[in-house]
Amino acid sequence: DAGVTQSPTHLIKTRGQQVTLRCSPKSGHDTVSWYQQALGQGPQFIFQYYEEEERQRGNFPDRFSGHQFPNYSSELNVNALLLGDSALYLCASSLDLTGGAGGNEQFFGPGTRLTVL
Amino acid sequence: RKEVEQDPGPFNVPEGATVAFNCTYSNSASQSFFWYRQDCRKEPKLLMSVYSSGNEDGRFTAQLNRASQYISLLIRDSKLSDSATYLCVVNEGYKLSFGAGTTVTVRA
Repeated sequence: DAGVTQSPTHLIKTRGQQVTLRCSPKSGHDTVSWYQQALGQGPQFIFQYYEEEERQRGNFPDRFSGHQFPNYSSELNVNALLLGDSALYLCASSLDLTGGAGGNEQFFGPGTRLTVL
Repeated sequence: RKEVEQDPGPFNVPEGATVAFNCTYSNSASQSFFWYRQDCRKEPKLLMSVYSSGNEDGRFTAQLNRASQYISLLIRDSKLSDSATYLCVVNEGYKLSFGAGTTVTVRA
């Protein structure tokens, strides 16, 4: 049973560029959340996707956008990259058992380490 | 005020020692609480959920104090393999709110 997978594992971009990160959820899971973890900090919630819609968003600018596909996989897009976007980007998947009320256990993928030069 | 605040440590303890640390959370409506463990440059992994009555999983004991809005984790008989960053996590609906982590180093 495959866990959460993410690609690529590492990425180097320059300021102003755009990046797309990919996530495949754990088998049987239907919900994907994205988090940003800067060095020395805890992960910060970016947004969550369920039924191909963004269900909740954290305090991140519109440069951060996402998508969920019918097979539940997801992409995170970041436009106009800034140096401060350098971080570990974590995808977490879960199965919505509460009819949309949240609170379900989230399983994390290994992350994509993004460096912006 | 941050949603979840933790003592960053580091806690440097000998093998076999007991180590304990807390975190506080700001949202009194939060319903679910967890401790995650994160090894260097790896993803967070669920260590244990935290229940109102307190709960134990082997050498790990978690406590929740809703009135004071704090959560604690105690590790007994520390092992070298317990060296990691421990993240206090509060579930607020769809999102998890993480503390910055408490670093524990167990030395031989």
